[in-house]
Amino acid sequence: AQKITQTQPGMFVQEKEAVTLDCTYDTSDQSYGLFWYKQPSSGEMIFLIYQGSYDEQNATEGRYSLNFQKARKSANLVISASQLGDSAMYFCAIRKSGSARQLTFGSGTQLTVLP
Amino acid sequence: EAGVTQSPTHLIKTRGQQATLRCSPISGHTSVYWYQQALGLGLQFLLWYDEGEERNRGNFPPRFSGRQFPNYSSELNVNALELEDSALYLCASSLTGTENEAFFGQGTRLTVV
Repeated sequence: AQKITQTQPGMFVQEKEAVTLDCTYDTSDQSYGLFWYKQPSSGEMIFLIYQGSYDEQNATEGRYSLNFQKARKSANLVISASQLGDSAMYFCAIRKSGSARQLTFGSGTQLTVLP
Repeated sequence: EAGVTQSPTHLIKTRGQQATLRCSPISGHTSVYWYQQALGLGLQFLLWYDEGEERNRGNFPPRFSGRQFPNYSSELNVNALELEDSALYLCASSLTGTENEAFFGQGTRLTVV
């Protein structure tokens, strides 16, 4: 079974500063993928970034980067230069390769960006 | 290109009734996943359909069921609704064999009264 742990129920960050959202995972699979999603109050899940377990370099997508530490089973999301529109719920998720390819989500972190 | 679309956006039903939720995947995507997000909670996996077949099922009772049509759109049916079924139901789609994507619709908010 796979498990995602997000230990920060809520985080605050000042506008234009960087923030790190923590995510640790537990899996016995050798091949898996890690995802981060943003969920605004409107409810839709917005895909942010993906990291494959065999990718040696950390994934980056614009202001988002994923700090992947495989030995520690950690996949933290770093948002640089925070904007007011970044205020939302953020979910980390894991997917195993092959069968049973559904995503397993963490409990989420509510990020609030302060002006 | 149109994203994943879900209908209706909101649905209000009475306890004991049936609810039908619909999802149209991104064009070309053959896999559809359903998730339940109860208020204040994370997403719980419900069902996965691929190429018209149910591939996997989460830990939900049999009154949660669905199907996938030849055009890859999907329906989620919830029978004998209970108050605790009130939740946001999210649909995601991806292309079979791809590992690095799963795009979600805007969700259907089901309220059972």
